[in-house]
Amino acid sequence: DAGVIQSPRHEVTEMGQEVTLRCKPISGHNSLFWYRQTMMRGLELLIYFNNNVPIDDSGMPEDRFSAKMPNASFSTLKIQPSEPRDSAVYFCASSPGDRETEKLFFGSGTQLSVL
Amino acid sequence: QQQVKQSPQSLIVQKGGISIINCAYENTAFDYFPWYQQFPGKGPALLIAIRPDVSEKKEGRFTISFNKSAKQFSLHIMDSQPGDSATYFCAASIIRGYQKVTFGIGTKLQVIP
Repeated sequence: DAGVIQSPRHEVTEMGQEVTLRCKPISGHNSLFWYRQTMMRGLELLIYFNNNVPIDDSGMPEDRFSAKMPNASFSTLKIQPSEPRDSAVYFCASSPGDRETEKLFFGSGTQLSVL
Repeated sequence: QQQVKQSPQSLIVQKGGISIINCAYENTAFDYFPWYQQFPGKGPALLIAIRPDVSEKKEGRFTISFNKSAKQFSLHIMDSQPGDSATYFCAASIIRGYQKVTFGIGTKLQVIP
């Protein structure tokens, strides 16, 4: 298994532009998570999907952030418009769900820089 | 609200020494305590985990000590090696229902030769 696949690995954009981050979870995993990592705040959960349905989006910073999971093998996190304070590493993680829900498998992340 | 407090934020240990990272939690409903290891440019990966029904779990050079009454748990890395240099995150979650994992701030460990 290739693991959780995220793209792009690096994204540099200008303030005000739309940014779309992509994630392919491990096949068969029912749960998907988007995290944001910064030096100041560590790993923050942004949103959690179970069986493609958003369960907890309380961590989404504001309306500029949106996430979708149209099917079991793909999810996107969109920021529109982007701001410099959105600069961070964004991780997608998946979990087997009903069998071993406690174990998270992380992708390699997207390093986002908003200038 | 920081539900899992981790310390220190950085740690330098000599090769062969013992690395100790401490965490404290507030929510007594937490019943699963994993540690994740993250190398530069990579996502965190599960290293070792413990349930509150045991006080210690050991896997190779890595040991978790758990003190339920004090609501504290710690990671010990015995015979630390330069290859252990990474960022370590403690975490806590509730197994049943919605398993939201709450992470500590992370500890950057550097093992020097």
